[in-house]
Amino acid sequence: EDQVTQSPEALRLQEGESSSLNCSYTVSGLRGLFWYRQDPGKGPEFLFTLYSAGEEKEKERLKATLTKKESFLHITAPKPEDSATYLCAGRGYGGSQGNLIFGKGTKLSVKP
Amino acid sequence: SQTIHQWPATLVQPVGSPLSLECTVEGTSNPNLYWYRQAAGRGLQLLFYSVGIGQISSEVPQNLSASRPQDRQFILSSKKLLLSDSGFYLCAWSSRDTQYFGPGTRLTVL
Repeated sequence: EDQVTQSPEALRLQEGESSSLNCSYTVSGLRGLFWYRQDPGKGPEFLFTLYSAGEEKEKERLKATLTKKESFLHITAPKPEDSATYLCAGRGYGGSQGNLIFGKGTKLSVKP
Repeated sequence: SQTIHQWPATLVQPVGSPLSLECTVEGTSNPNLYWYRQAAGRGLQLLFYSVGIGQISSEVPQNLSASRPQDRQFILSSKKLLLSDSGFYLCAWSSRDTQYFGPGTRLTVL
């Protein structure tokens, strides 16, 4: 069964304290690994798509990387405005068209 | 640019009442459309998706239904709400691989 697991469930950082969020996946024939940011009471906001092992993408203080079994979202020198829940999702060749398998998310809190 | 709208933003309904949530997309044509539910402590659950007008696929058996009367309009309905229908409902559209989400509707069934 296709599955996406995110860790940790919650992460508290001090402003400027860099860290990484983990997304482990078992998705048959991965067609894409997606990262989203979700603020409380709002819809997820798209961040990155990764397609193949070794691929990296960056946006401001965020960098997403992909291996054959997991993806990492690295946060460099975070600021309080980076506080949010970060969602990871995988899409495989099997299953319904366009079906994303979501993890439960990592809730990030950055204290000033 | 593309935008996606959902309404209402919040809704409180009694058990047994009907439901209609609407989603519209602007700035794109023939998008794939999706309905998700997000419950506390759980990941996003795909409920329905549509690849075109009148074409609906259901992912989870439940008392909800979906319709796509126009290319860029997606409606989620129920004839009789259950307590377990409470949650955050998200509509999304995709072009190629990436899905883009709307602002969501918070539904509370009492």
